[in-house]
Amino acid sequence: GENVEQHPSTLSVQEGDSAVIKCTYSDSASNYFPWYKQELGKGPQLIIDIRSNVGEKKDQRIAVTLNKTAKHFSLHITETQPEDSAVYFCAASLYKLSFGAGTTVTVRA
Amino acid sequence: EADIYQTPRYLVIGTGKKITLECSQTMGHDKMYWYQQDPGMELHLIHYSYGVNSTEKGDLSSESTVSRIRTEHFPLTLESARPSHTSQYLCASSRGTANTEAFFGQGTRLTVV
Repeated sequence: GENVEQHPSTLSVQEGDSAVIKCTYSDSASNYFPWYKQELGKGPQLIIDIRSNVGEKKDQRIAVTLNKTAKHFSLHITETQPEDSAVYFCAASLYKLSFGAGTTVTVRA
Repeated sequence: EADIYQTPRYLVIGTGKKITLECSQTMGHDKMYWYQQDPGMELHLIHYSYGVNSTEKGDLSSESTVSRIRTEHFPLTLESARPSHTSQYLCASSRGTANTEAFFGQGTRLTVV
């Protein structure tokens, strides 16, 4: 089955700085790569996704890049704000989602 | 706003009791999932369904069982709860077409004492 590795497990950044989270996947057939944000006491919520026919996607302060050859994808958050503090999960999917272990992001004011 | 609901939000129950965690969605989604989230926050798929009368075991072995009699309802049952079942359980749903967004409920935090 699909194996997704996510790094780092924790990330602390100064407000206004950028944050980058990286994931690798094992199944070259996976074709859908979503990113989820989970705030305390809530379920994960989709923040951005990318499909295998696209190399990069941007939505305001967040962007995702995909390198199919290397089988890795990354989340970039620019101009971080305190409300960006949360746990972020990457996932890869062909028929069902396989999640990375999560990254706890803390934005210091 | 996701229309997927889990009840109860919190449950403390004694060892050996039978429990059912409820999950309902009003989006007409064919696919539904149950995830177990450990204290380190990692998500483990324990059950999924592609539609009515379809249930499959996930990647993580679980003593729980599920049923899918109606499209909107995907309950999870533990026949005899044990302390090792203490965890956060998250339900999710998605459309039945090619890979699309999964919507999560707020979760049920189960504590077995």
